[in-house]
Amino acid sequence: DQQVKQNSPSLSVQEGRISILNCDYTNSMFDYFLWYKKYPAEGPTFLISISSIKDKNEDGRFTVFLNKSAKHLSLHIVPSQPGDSAVYFCAASGGGANSKLTFGKGITLSVRP
Amino acid sequence: KAGVTQTPRYLIKTRGQQVTLSCSPISGHRSVSWYQQTPGQGLQFLFEYFSETQRNKGNFPGRFSGRQFSNSRSEMNVSTLELGDSALYLCASSSDRRSYNSPLHFGNGTRLTVT
Repeated sequence: DQQVKQNSPSLSVQEGRISILNCDYTNSMFDYFLWYKKYPAEGPTFLISISSIKDKNEDGRFTVFLNKSAKHLSLHIVPSQPGDSAVYFCAASGGGANSKLTFGKGITLSVRP
Repeated sequence: KAGVTQTPRYLIKTRGQQVTLSCSPISGHRSVSWYQQTPGQGLQFLFEYFSETQRNKGNFPGRFSGRQFSNSRSEMNVSTLELGDSALYLCASSSDRRSYNSPLHFGNGTRLTVT
């Protein structure tokens, strides 16, 4: 059972435009959400996170939005740059038995110059 | 501060053999997690160790095992290798303060190929 879902396997956007990456989760016990970015031949790199007590967190060009009622979060990248081209993983965790970090399958973002 | 170090980077093994992968966490980090990444499957959680104790375990067969040493370094072992075990194995560490919501810091992984 996939508790964290990234339903779109890929996304292509023009340089300078906004990239919106979506993620859905099913486990209502999740209360901490993260985005990771991965380049080929490297490990994932932490990008940004959000706690369930917030609905938005911003860090430079990256903003994560959380809609708890819809069990949905999204990562906005504005403006998109060619160096942002990578695989983006959404991840979630909770306390107790849900403390491990559960990842989605990833979205491949391509930013066209 | 040095990052998470995984050795070896690449490994080729034959079906039926066993393999041991090594991970050195970031200095001061006491939690080490292991993940398997295969095409189309994302990152699948294997297990997490904290202060030499397995704190959490994923849904992998008993052929997959791990341990953590007193210096927080960790190893994972896969016995009786199968072709389907070919994957990128990633190790990640985090601080021990409310570790469940501390970001994981990943190594660059060990690429295992089983022939």
